[in-house]
Amino acid sequence: AQTVTQSQPEMSVQEAETVTLSCTYDTSENNYYLFWYKQPPSRQMILVIRQEAYKQQNATENRFSVNFQKAAKSFSLKISDSQLGDTAMYFCAFMDETTSGTYKYIFGTGTRLKVLA
Amino acid sequence: KAGVTQTPRYLIKTRGQQVTLSCSPISGHRSVSWYQQTPGQGLQFLFEYFSETQRNKGNFPGRFSGRQFSNSRSEMNVSTLELGDSALYLCASSQRNNEQFFGPGTRLTVL
Repeated sequence: AQTVTQSQPEMSVQEAETVTLSCTYDTSENNYYLFWYKQPPSRQMILVIRQEAYKQQNATENRFSVNFQKAAKSFSLKISDSQLGDTAMYFCAFMDETTSGTYKYIFGTGTRLKVLA
Repeated sequence: KAGVTQTPRYLIKTRGQQVTLSCSPISGHRSVSWYQQTPGQGLQFLFEYFSETQRNKGNFPGRFSGRQFSNSRSEMNVSTLELGDSALYLCASSQRNNEQFFGPGTRLTVL
């Protein structure tokens, strides 16, 4: 069974600094998708970035980028120039297609990031 | 497009009661998934509906059930509530092979 592990329950970073959130996963599939979601305090969960496993190039969205290591099954999120608004719970998620043609999502337990002024 | 909406936003119930939560997906999204979020446990997958059919189910007891209507709106029902059912219940909608869009959640407190 697929699993997603986020080994850092909490992290903090100074404003304007860079922080990296770790995520590892386990799967025997070759084609799948990986996501990072952000859940600000008392606010809605939103997608930060996505990565298709068949793409070797790491995804980038403005200050957010990933380090996707397929062989190591690692998918870390790097936040550059951290801002106070980046304070949130971050979830790593894995999605693949099941044998019945449906899509299955598995989420990690989350990393609570606090950006310090 | 309007986002995913969930009602009610907050709910307080007592043990033994039952509760029904509602989710309206983004227009055009036919897949609706439900998750239970508790501190330290992350998001636990409950079930997914597509075109009124349950396609996937997580490891939750039969007290948790759901359904989807022809307009893709979905409801989740929990019967015989227990204290441990206190959680944030999230609904997410998606199109095929794409990321999920989440609603604001329903915070359920069981006393």
